[in-house]
Amino acid sequence: AQKVTQAQTEISVVEKEDVTLDCVYETRDTTYYLFWYKQPPSGELVFLIRRNSFDEQNEISGRYSWNFQKSTSSFNFTITASQVVDSAVYFCALSEGGATNKLIFGTGTLLAVQP
Amino acid sequence: DAGVIQSPRHEVTEMGQEVTLRCKPISGHNSLFWYRQTMMRGLELLIYFNNNVPIDDSGMPEDRFSAKMPNASFSTLKIQPSEPRDSAVYFCASRPLGGSLGYTFGSGTRLTVV
Repeated sequence: AQKVTQAQTEISVVEKEDVTLDCVYETRDTTYYLFWYKQPPSGELVFLIRRNSFDEQNEISGRYSWNFQKSTSSFNFTITASQVVDSAVYFCALSEGGATNKLIFGTGTLLAVQP
Repeated sequence: DAGVIQSPRHEVTEMGQEVTLRCKPISGHNSLFWYRQTMMRGLELLIYFNNNVPIDDSGMPEDRFSAKMPNASFSTLKIQPSEPRDSAVYFCASRPLGGSLGYTFGSGTRLTVV
């Protein structure tokens, strides 16, 4: 069965600090996809990134970077030089390949960036 | 592209009443998902459809909940009768079947049952 664990319930940082949000996943499939979504206080779910299980290259997008390590079943998300606008709940999610199409979410990490 | 459209945005109803939530997926997306978000349980998958056919409804909490997808452009989630514990934000999402494309979420319906 697929499972996503985000052990950090809440993180508080001061603006300009770097912060890493942890995500550990479980799956029996060899083909799967990992996602990060952002949920700002307004409530919508904003897609940030998708990675497939065959691509372990780290990715950087502006201040955001993602570290995917199959050996530890982790897909961690780092925000560099955090800003107040980064304050949100961040969800890691997993979708297995094949006919099973469902996206399973972790419990989320609330990030508070203080000015 | 108008995105996934959900209606209503907010719904307040009295316990025992029937509630119907609506979702219009992105055109061409043939997988549709209903999620419920609460503080206690986080984001739970209730049911999903591929090509209008329900594939997995194991997340539907009980018989009071039902979902339909009569065509590729419309789905409903119905609660009858509603109870206060059904109060939550209900999200609809869609994606193209297969491949590695992402899931696009609607803005959600905030349901309050009093």
